[in-house]
Amino acid sequence: SQTIHQWPATLVQPVGSPLSLECTVEGTSNPNLYWYRQAAGRGLQLLFYSVGIGQISSEVPQNLSASRPQDRQFILSSKKLLLSDSGFYLCAWSPQTHQPQHFGDGTRLSIL
Amino acid sequence: DQQVKQNSPSLSVQEGRISILNCDYTNSMFDYFLWYKKYPAEGPTFLISISSIKDKNEDGRFTVFLNKSAKHLSLHIVPSQPGDSAVYFCAASEGAGSYQLTFGKGTKLSVIP
Repeated sequence: SQTIHQWPATLVQPVGSPLSLECTVEGTSNPNLYWYRQAAGRGLQLLFYSVGIGQISSEVPQNLSASRPQDRQFILSSKKLLLSDSGFYLCAWSPQTHQPQHFGDGTRLSIL
Repeated sequence: DQQVKQNSPSLSVQEGRISILNCDYTNSMFDYFLWYKKYPAEGPTFLISISSIKDKNEDGRFTVFLNKSAKHLSLHIVPSQPGDSAVYFCAASEGAGSYQLTFGKGTKLSVIP
């Protein structure tokens, strides 16, 4: 069966520091991968998606970037965090488009 | 502009009774709808989905109904159990080539023993 791992579960970072969140999927090949963010009091917002190694599409212009160095690895990064980057970050995968996306347990990011 | 709306932030139901969670959407291009359940400190878990070519889909205790003319869908849980207590999110997707799921803000369901 397929599993998705996301870490760390919680992270507290100072403003201006870099960020790297990692997500890996097991038990499937060539999945679509997604990064979402849920800010306080708001719904889930798609940040990035990837349909293959090195292929990244951004849905929202922002201070963040994503990379897919391997088929089942998806990384969310920032060079300098802003206060507005605080939130709950979720990684997800799906076999194809128009199929259910399956989520990791998320990272709670607090910026001080 | 919120394209997927869950107008009830919370819902309380007695154990054994039916829970009905509602969702409205405004984008007529949405053709695939999903429900997710989320426990605290966990990611959303997929529950059930429905394509716009259907008006009902059933999986065990969970049934999703879609009313395209009203742009409304609902999730019925029968019978409700205390373990169903969680936040439920409605989500929608537009077209076969769309990668994006648009989520509602969620409804917190509490099932009272």
